[in-house]
Amino acid sequence: DQQVKQNSPSLSVQEGRISILNCDYTNSMFDYFLWYKKYPAEGPTFLISISSIKDKNEDGRFTVFLNKSAKHLSLHIVPSQPGDSAVYFCAASAGTGTASKLTFGTGTRLQVTL
Amino acid sequence: NAGVTQTPKFQVLKTGQSMTLQCAQDMNHNSMYWYRQDPGMGLRLIYYSASEGTTDKGEVPNGYNVSRLNKREFSLRLESAAPSQTSVYFCASSEWDRSTDTQYFGPGTRLTVL
Repeated sequence: DQQVKQNSPSLSVQEGRISILNCDYTNSMFDYFLWYKKYPAEGPTFLISISSIKDKNEDGRFTVFLNKSAKHLSLHIVPSQPGDSAVYFCAASAGTGTASKLTFGTGTRLQVTL
Repeated sequence: NAGVTQTPKFQVLKTGQSMTLQCAQDMNHNSMYWYRQDPGMGLRLIYYSASEGTTDKGEVPNGYNVSRLNKREFSLRLESAAPSQTSVYFCASSEWDRSTDTQYFGPGTRLTVL
């Protein structure tokens, strides 16, 4: 039972254009969402996050949007750069207790072409 | 400041052999985690440690044991390796609080069980 879904395994975007990566979730207890970026042979690195009390969070070229009623979030990258080519994972947590367990999606491979 | 380090980077085992994966963090984080990543799947939580002296099962704990040796170190042990445990293993740490939930990952250990 995949509680966090990234339905697009791959995405190709031209340099300078907008990249939009999507993520859907089914567990209504999730209240914190994160995006991680992963290059080959490296560990995931944190990119941006959003709490369920917000519907948008922005950090430079990266913006995450959260639609709680649709249980959907998206990551916008504007403008896209070749260095953004990586696998992007969406993750969610239900923040209870003293350590929060992340549930990850299966990832979307973004390729930014020249 | 190395962040999260993992040893070894690569390992090949025969079915039935045992081994321990090591993880250390220098960020003074309370919580530590072990994940595995398989092709076409997101990262799945094996075990986590909310704080020194505590460990709990994650989504896929069977076949593994963990030890939180001290605040810095969290090891993962395979007592009798099986081919199904061929995977890339990631360790992570976090200083969880209610307003943020960022986990920082190590570079991974690529394990092959023949």
